[in-house]
Amino acid sequence: AQKVTQAQTEISVVEKEDVTLDCVYETRDTTYYLFWYKQPPSGELVFLIRRNSFDEQNEISGRYSWNFQKSTSSFNFTITASQVVDSAVYFCALSERGTGGGNKLTFGTGTQLKVEL
Amino acid sequence: KAGVTQTPRYLIKTRGQQVTLSCSPISGHRSVSWYQQTPGQGLQFLFEYFSETQRNKGNFPGRFSGRQFSNSRSEMNVSTLELGDSALYLCASGDRGLDEQFFGPGTRLTVL
Repeated sequence: AQKVTQAQTEISVVEKEDVTLDCVYETRDTTYYLFWYKQPPSGELVFLIRRNSFDEQNEISGRYSWNFQKSTSSFNFTITASQVVDSAVYFCALSERGTGGGNKLTFGTGTQLKVEL
Repeated sequence: KAGVTQTPRYLIKTRGQQVTLSCSPISGHRSVSWYQQTPGQGLQFLFEYFSETQRNKGNFPGRFSGRQFSNSRSEMNVSTLELGDSALYLCASGDRGLDEQFFGPGTRLTVL
């Protein structure tokens, strides 16, 4: 069975600090996708990134960057110069091919990020 | 494009009742998935529909069911509600299999 572990339950930082959210996954699939979602207090899951298992290139999008290391089954997320608006729960997720041909996401337990002034 | 919409946003029911939640995916998306989010169990996959067919199902009792219409809109039904069914129910729409899944704002169900 697939598993996603986000060991950090809660992280508190001061604005402008850099912060890294860890994600470790387990899967037997050779082809899979990894995702990061942001969940603000409103509840909606906001899509941040999808990474294919064959693409280990790191990605940067503004203040966000992702480090995918297949050798350690990790897909970590770094926010540079954090801002108060970054405060939210962040979920890492792993896609799994269902028996019916579609996919389903296995989520980690989330990391609550609090950015204070 | 408009995003994923879910109705109603909030719902209060009592034990034993049934409830139907609705989800309209992003235009052109044919896959709709449902997830349950609770403080204790986190985010759990309920089921996925594609072109009106249920493709995958999570580990939930038969009280949880769903369907998808020809316009890709989906409904989820929970019968004989229990207190433990109180949760945020999230719907996600997708276009190409393992690609992005975009989530709606959710329906917050409270069972009293």
